[in-house]
Amino acid sequence: SAVISQKPSRDICQRGTSLTIQCQVDSQVTMMFWYRQQPGQSLTLIATANQGSEATYESGFVIDKFPISRPNLTFSTLTVSNMSPEDSSIYLCSVSQGGDTEAFFGQGTRLTVV
Amino acid sequence: GEDVEQSLFLSVREGDSSVINCTYTDSSSTYLYWYKQEPGAGLQLLTYIFSNMDMKQDQRLTVLLNKKDKHLSLRIADTQTGDSAIYFCAEIPPTSGTYKYIFGTGTRLKVLA
Repeated sequence: SAVISQKPSRDICQRGTSLTIQCQVDSQVTMMFWYRQQPGQSLTLIATANQGSEATYESGFVIDKFPISRPNLTFSTLTVSNMSPEDSSIYLCSVSQGGDTEAFFGQGTRLTVV
Repeated sequence: GEDVEQSLFLSVREGDSSVINCTYTDSSSTYLYWYKQEPGAGLQLLTYIFSNMDMKQDQRLTVLLNKKDKHLSLRIADTQTGDSAIYFCAEIPPTSGTYKYIFGTGTRLKVLA
């Protein structure tokens, strides 16, 4: 299993600013993912965080808006840049050992942009 | 279709059975999963079923799989107020070329005392 610490748990930000969300895992993991969950909706994959290289983004998400770092096998950050109210959402970090293995989730970061 | 589909809401009385349904997209998915999300929390794996099985029972949980129709269901027996949560079915379509979870739209279960 994996225990994930995600920070901050919530924040209220002004439009035009940026917020960096941290995801720390208690053990080395193969895969790290970032999801967005808008109110009352399912999870949408933003990107796969790759260690030591650029993240792999899903359709509709770009690096300039959501820069991601993954310096090692236990830590990743997601930045939400130049925020607008449409970015208000829950952002979730998820990890797995790849393949069909179980995914573990952080508790999420509830972001409100005003 | 491209989406993993679920009904959005389900309301049951405490002690009754709950049945949550899901239609997934890829018949070659090896495992199908059910995740539970309690208020203010991330998702936790509840149970899963291997694709060559029709049914899996785990205490109060029963998973039924119909591969032909790509239909998955989760039955919760003797539903309790603590079962109130959002339930997501999920698959990892191997045909996508990458091992990424695809989650359903989520079913919000409300258990009435």
